[in-house]
Amino acid sequence: NAGVTQTPKFQVLKTGQSMTLQCAQDMNHNSMYWYRQDPGMGLRLIYYSASEGTTDKGEVPNGYNVSRLNKREFSLRLESAAPSQTSVYFCASSEDLDRGTGNQPQHFGDGTRLSIL
Amino acid sequence: EDKVVQSPLSLVVHEGDTVTLNCSYEVTNFRSLLWYKQEKKAPTFLFMLTSSGIEKKSGRLSSILDKKELFSILNITATQTGDSAIYLCARIGGGSNYKLTFGKGTLLTVNP
Repeated sequence: NAGVTQTPKFQVLKTGQSMTLQCAQDMNHNSMYWYRQDPGMGLRLIYYSASEGTTDKGEVPNGYNVSRLNKREFSLRLESAAPSQTSVYFCASSEDLDRGTGNQPQHFGDGTRLSIL
Repeated sequence: EDKVVQSPLSLVVHEGDTVTLNCSYEVTNFRSLLWYKQEKKAPTFLFMLTSSGIEKKSGRLSSILDKKELFSILNITATQTGDSAIYLCARIGGGSNYKLTFGKGTLLTVNP
């Protein structure tokens, strides 16, 4: 019963390096999300994908790109890593929010701890 | 301007105490409010509140939503050290807005 799987769990990068964080879900969810979590800041939405083939910016999209590869997978890319992107990154998925009562909670992966030196 | 504001930001109690965590939110396009518990890894879902005045309970935890005053509370009775965690509140917007907007969280520490 995997749920949402993120890889890698930990990564250290040098400033300017590129990196792709992977996320896959096996719950047949249409919607997927990337968040970052910094101390004292809660979770902030970077990008989300309401369905396969669509992506939209969240609250803090600068410095990131995403790809919704298929219904299962949603990747987050840092093209040129900066120390300000040191954070814990969470991927999440959910069922559609516009069906029925439309209120389905998001299911989270265990996170990727990323340090940029 | 924060759309979801939690208080207090941190709280230290002793085992057996009862705690109340607060969450206020912006009304624009509000659909539901969620509570999560986060220990070392991923947030785990606790409650989803959509209707005002209806209490949701799970063991020693309970939560209620007040849509008139735009806030929710999370109560934990007879706290245990295992309740130590960050408690996150988040709102779901309405319409085509699939996004969760989180508060900064309340760090609860329960000492033996």
